[in-house]
Amino acid sequence: AQKVTQAQTEISVVEKEDVTLDCVYETRDTTYYLFWYKQPPSGELVFLIRRNSFDEQNEISGRYSWNFQKSTSSFNFTITASQVVDSAVYFCALRRGNDYKLSFGAGTTVTVRA
Amino acid sequence: AAGVIQSPRHLIKEKRETATLKCYPIPRHDTVYWYQQGPGQDPQFLISFYEKMQSDKGSIPDRFSAQQFSDYHSELNMSSLELGDSALYFCASSSGTGNYGYTFGSGTRLTVV
Repeated sequence: AQKVTQAQTEISVVEKEDVTLDCVYETRDTTYYLFWYKQPPSGELVFLIRRNSFDEQNEISGRYSWNFQKSTSSFNFTITASQVVDSAVYFCALRRGNDYKLSFGAGTTVTVRA
Repeated sequence: AAGVIQSPRHLIKEKRETATLKCYPIPRHDTVYWYQQGPGQDPQFLISFYEKMQSDKGSIPDRFSAQQFSDYHSELNMSSLELGDSALYFCASSSGTGNYGYTFGSGTRLTVV
């Protein structure tokens, strides 16, 4: 069985603060894919990043960065210098190598106050 | 760039009615997925199709059925609607199993009254 845990239900920060979202996953597969999606108040799911299990290289994209550590089964996401537009629900998701479906975590609601 | 198109955006139905949701994938994507997201919940996988054949099945009620047509668009048919079916329904598409990520549509918000 596979499982994604996002222990933080809600995070509230003031603009320009950094915020890190935790994601811990469980899977017995050696090949798997991890994703982060953003769901703003308008409701759509916006793809942020995909990482496969063989690529532990961290990634930075603008104010977003991701830290993938297989040793701790974690795929954490950091928003640097947060902005009000970052306010959304963020989902971490896992897909087995030969599977079609994504298993989502419960999501973390981020509120950035001006 | 073309995205995944879902219609309608909003739908209100009464209990026991039937609803049909449509999904038009990104051009050249051959796989379509359906997810259901209840209020305050994470998206739950319902069903997927690859090359017009069902490829995977999740927690889809027997009252729901879906198919993928020759032009790769997909429809989710929901019968005998219940209040608990009120949710945001997402369609996503990918090439193959989506090893390069897959793209979600904007969703259809179904309200059953």
